Amino acid sequence: QVQLVESGGGVVQPGRSLRLSCAASGFTFSNYGMHWVRQAPGKGLEWVAVIWSDGSQKYYVDSVKGRFSISRDNSKNMLYLQMNILRAEDTAIYYCARSVTHSRWDQSHFDHWGQGTLVTVSS
Amino acid sequence: QSVLTQPPSVSGAPGQRVTISCTGSSSNIGAGYDVHWYQQLPGTAPKLLIYANSNRPSGVPDRFSGSKSGTSASLAITGLQAEDEADYYCQSYDSSLSGWVFGGGTKLTVL
Repeated sequence: QVQLVESGGGVVQPGRSLRLSCAASGFTFSNYGMHWVRQAPGKGLEWVAVIWSDGSQKYYVDSVKGRFSISRDNSKNMLYLQMNILRAEDTAIYYCARSVTHSRWDQSHFDHWGQGTLVTVSS
Repeated sequence: QSVLTQPPSVSGAPGQRVTISCTGSSSNIGAGYDVHWYQQLPGTAPKLLIYANSNRPSGVPDRFSGSKSGTSASLAITGLQAEDEADYYCQSYDSSLSGWVFGGGTKLTVL
């Protein structure tokens, strides 16, 4: 069965960095695009970033452009999110999610989610 | 302020039918982008409920249905059960923002 397990969250000071990881199993990881989605405490869902199955394309929400970087290692079935210059407003549970496309890439949705990892940015 | 607008809360008695609306604009739902729905039970990760406007993944009861028209979409839940109490989110793509967008979420309370 499909499994996505995030790790790497924790408490970090504003301006510092953190790298999140997502270990995938139960499917052919290299065949799927992958996303990061976050949820601030008590708030709704916010899409953060996407990476194509072969890593050739990456897109970000405006609020993290230039600070966050998504990457993947298909040989290890791993997805990453490098988060730099962290701000208090980045505090959230970060989920990795598998992308499924039935027609065009911009019609995709998220069919499997990890359990999430909590990132707290605070001094 | 979310790009897709949902009512903050809805409620219904067991056995009743409720609907949750998701209103977008000409750069997302109105542009022809599919709408997908997720259920988030308290303290858990979101789960795909409806994809491509009206399709149910295997394992999702047929009490859940989705529709889309113009710049809006709706999720309907019939035969409400206590276990349906959760937050529900709609999701689409926005061409102006060049990214995936969610509604603000709707909390369903089963009375």
